[in-house]
Amino acid sequence: QQQVKQSPQSLIVQKGGISIINCAYENTAFDYFPWYQQFPGKGPALLIAIRPDVSEKKEGRFTISFNKSAKQFSLHIMDSQPGDSATYFCAASLSGNTPLVFGKGTRLSVIA
Amino acid sequence: ETGVTQTPRHLVMGMTNKKSLKCEQHLGHNAMYWYKQSAKKPLELMFVYNFKEQTENNSVPSRFSPECPNSSHLFLHLHTLQPEDSALYLCASRQLAGALLEQFFGPGTRLTVL
Repeated sequence: QQQVKQSPQSLIVQKGGISIINCAYENTAFDYFPWYQQFPGKGPALLIAIRPDVSEKKEGRFTISFNKSAKQFSLHIMDSQPGDSATYFCAASLSGNTPLVFGKGTRLSVIA
Repeated sequence: ETGVTQTPRHLVMGMTNKKSLKCEQHLGHNAMYWYKQSAKKPLELMFVYNFKEQTENNSVPSRFSPECPNSSHLFLHLHTLQPEDSALYLCASRQLAGALLEQFFGPGTRLTVL
């Protein structure tokens, strides 16, 4: 019930292309879905987050698409740049007192 | 200092040593967490402290001992560790039941057990 399944494990995208990372969750009580970006030697940093009352949220080149009925959400990175090369984690939680449950991460490489 | 800080950033210890990791958050949060990040299991939640009280211990071996003296500080005391405990240890904090749900992470302590 607490799992968040993330795919793919690794992703290689050409510069300027679209990077897409997918996550699926089981617990229908989850109501907060963030994406974190982690560079080598750094802690994860919040990139963008969504609540289940909206189906899409966009911040710059980053978009979260949310499908409540399918219990899935995804991160789209438009016009991917080499500087976007990092590990991305999806997560979910109950907005009350529970810590985030994380997916296993996707290592993104954007090549020129 | 702003955000979540962790010291030391790197630590090498033998299996018989005793050391401590320190985390401090400057965000006024009331929940703090320890995570272990390794290649095999990317982000494992170890301990949860809500309002300085430990509310969760995810089957962590007793060689890891957390301490939360106040809402801003969190420690992880280490003793008789094993080589498989080598990992990046991340501290995080958040505000419980508030309007802002963001969980902030520190930079981590890279631990190597010889």
